[in-house]
Amino acid sequence: VLTQSPATLSVSPGERATLSCRASQSISTNLAWYQQKSGQAPRLLIYQASTRATGVPARFSGSGSGTEFALTINSLQSEDFAVYYCHHYNVWPPVTFGQGTRLEIK
Amino acid sequence: EVQLVQSGTEVKKPGESLRISCKASGYNFASYWIGWVRQMPGKGLEWMGVIFPGDSETRYSPSFQGQVTFSADKSINTAYLLWSSLKASDSAMYYCVKSYSGSHSALEYWGQGTLVTVSS
Repeated sequence: VLTQSPATLSVSPGERATLSCRASQSISTNLAWYQQKSGQAPRLLIYQASTRATGVPARFSGSGSGTEFALTINSLQSEDFAVYYCHHYNVWPPVTFGQGTRLEIK
Repeated sequence: EVQLVQSGTEVKKPGESLRISCKASGYNFASYWIGWVRQMPGKGLEWMGVIFPGDSETRYSPSFQGQVTFSADKSINTAYLLWSSLKASDSAMYYCVKSYSGSHSALEYWGQGTLVTVSS
């Protein structure tokens, strides 16, 4: 099971946001982060816990291993306000997504 | 450029069957696992499972095993998600996804989604 916190995060543009994802058991670094804007399909941001996907701005970074992970977004831009999901892809326990963190403008 | 183009919105009645499609382009379709993700209205993402188009091997999430069927036709670069008997609880947006590598990996590319509504 993946637990994301907080459920909603309010941050001002230009500031930093840190989103957390905790696994109920170790998943090594088999974790990805996605961004979903309203009415759109999700977009891969980070895989293997800390590798940025193609075309993802450098202000997005991922960290962690085992059971504790974080997505940090530096210098928030208006287009970054969205819902973010973590996703583990270990064979076991079964693949699952976190419940999501809504990042909103403060 | 990798693209996954899904079939359009469906409105069905409970008990009916349905097949939705996902046409891939821009990469070697037969060589990468392709999967499905469900998103119920106002809810989060749920991984349903994957299929390897090269040999049609499948891996289903325990939550969806027996509820849906995956298939793929590598001659036309298209993956399918099938229901034999829809329920109202199947109403959701369904996304097809290309795995980055392997059956269990990050979901690198996403289709635009197919909205399925099941109502009497």
